[in-house]
Amino acid sequence: GENVEQHPSTLSVQEGDSAVIKCTYSDSASNYFPWYKQELGKRPQLIIDIRSNVGEKKDQRIAVTLNKTAKHFSLHITETQPEDSAVYFCAASKGGRGGADGLTFGKGTHLIIQP
Amino acid sequence: KAGVTQTPRYLIKTRGQQVTLSCSPISGHRSVSWYQQTPGQGLQFLFEYFSETQRNKGNFPGRFSGRQFSNSRSEMNVSTLELGDSALYLCASSAGTSGVTQYFGPGTRLTVL
Repeated sequence: GENVEQHPSTLSVQEGDSAVIKCTYSDSASNYFPWYKQELGKRPQLIIDIRSNVGEKKDQRIAVTLNKTAKHFSLHITETQPEDSAVYFCAASKGGRGGADGLTFGKGTHLIIQP
Repeated sequence: KAGVTQTPRYLIKTRGQQVTLSCSPISGHRSVSWYQQTPGQGLQFLFEYFSETQRNKGNFPGRFSGRQFSNSRSEMNVSTLELGDSALYLCASSAGTSGVTQYFGPGTRLTVL
């Protein structure tokens, strides 16, 4: 089955700096890669996702890049703010026309924004 | 639209008992997936239901089962509870046919004593 590795497990950055979280996946058939943010005691919230026919996607301060050949994808957060502090999860699935497939998650990255 | 809802939010059971958790998806969504979240194992996929049929299944023992009703609401059941079943159980809904994006509910915190 699919295996998703996520690094680093903890990332501490100064407010205003950029943060990068990296994930690799094993199943070349995976074609959907979402990123979720989970604050303490709350549900995972989708922040951005990318499909395998796209190399990069951006939404304001957040961007995701995908390298299908190398089977890795990354989350980039620019101009970090205190409210960006949370645990971030990457995931992969083979969702297609048939709809949702089970998401395989990375272990998570605890992002700490230092004031 | 209202988001995904789950009941109950907290549950305490003892070993050997069974438990049923409920999930109501976003209106119009036909797919419901269930996940287990623990500090050690992270987020793990249990199963997915679409139009009352289990379409995908993760690597969990048969003690974990689920079902989906005609209104897309879903339940999951865990029989013969073990201490290791203590976790946050999350459900997620998606459109199921044209969309794969999954939206999570707040979860049910299950504690097994």
